[in-house]
Amino acid sequence: EAQVTQNPRYLITVTGKKLTVTCSQNMNHEYMSWYRQDPGLGLRQIYYSMNVEVTDKGDVPEGYKVSRKEKRNFPLILESPSPNQTSLYFCASSLLTQPHSPLHFGNGTRLTVT
Amino acid sequence: SQKIEQNSEALNIQEGKTATLTCNYTNYSPAYLQWYRQDPGRGPVFLLLIRENEKEKRKERLKVTFDTTLKQSLFHITASQPADSATYLCALDSYYNQGGKLIFGQGTELSVKP
Repeated sequence: EAQVTQNPRYLITVTGKKLTVTCSQNMNHEYMSWYRQDPGLGLRQIYYSMNVEVTDKGDVPEGYKVSRKEKRNFPLILESPSPNQTSLYFCASSLLTQPHSPLHFGNGTRLTVT
Repeated sequence: SQKIEQNSEALNIQEGKTATLTCNYTNYSPAYLQWYRQDPGRGPVFLLLIRENEKEKRKERLKVTFDTTLKQSLFHITASQPADSATYLCALDSYYNQGGKLIFGQGTELSVKP
């Protein structure tokens, strides 16, 4: 089954404790992206990647890092999480060869930073 | 800056009626517009795409219109069912977007009562 898999689904952590949210897709998509979703603010892009070893900032990159060492994986790293990073995070992927190609989203990771 | 607006208030309708959701945009010339459905705690799921040179697109009970003069898209669900209850997001991309990213509206929550 074609899918984007995120782990974990729920994560509670404390300020300053480094964490990684994993994302993997099995559709051979070149494009991958991370979004955060907050009430009243909608989906906002954090980082995106057009292909392996190619990443770039989205609209709200501060406090986050990403890497794209393999085509299928795109982990999101919070080196020193803060309470304002409490949010619902989504990973998404699409075919880059079709600019209008729809995004396939994972089921989200709900992060709470205390 | 680019801005997308969707009805912020929830839309409540009776089963069997047609639901109409609105997406307005400003300062923007999208080449494509997409609609997604999001259920609570889940990632958005792609529904329909419409191009700037298309006036209307249909898929089963769904219909999308795209008026580039009014800078507006309407999303219709005919013969609505309680299972259609969800939040619906519109998203725009453009030839001018960097990174192929989509810009999302905040979504409109639809509730269909039996």
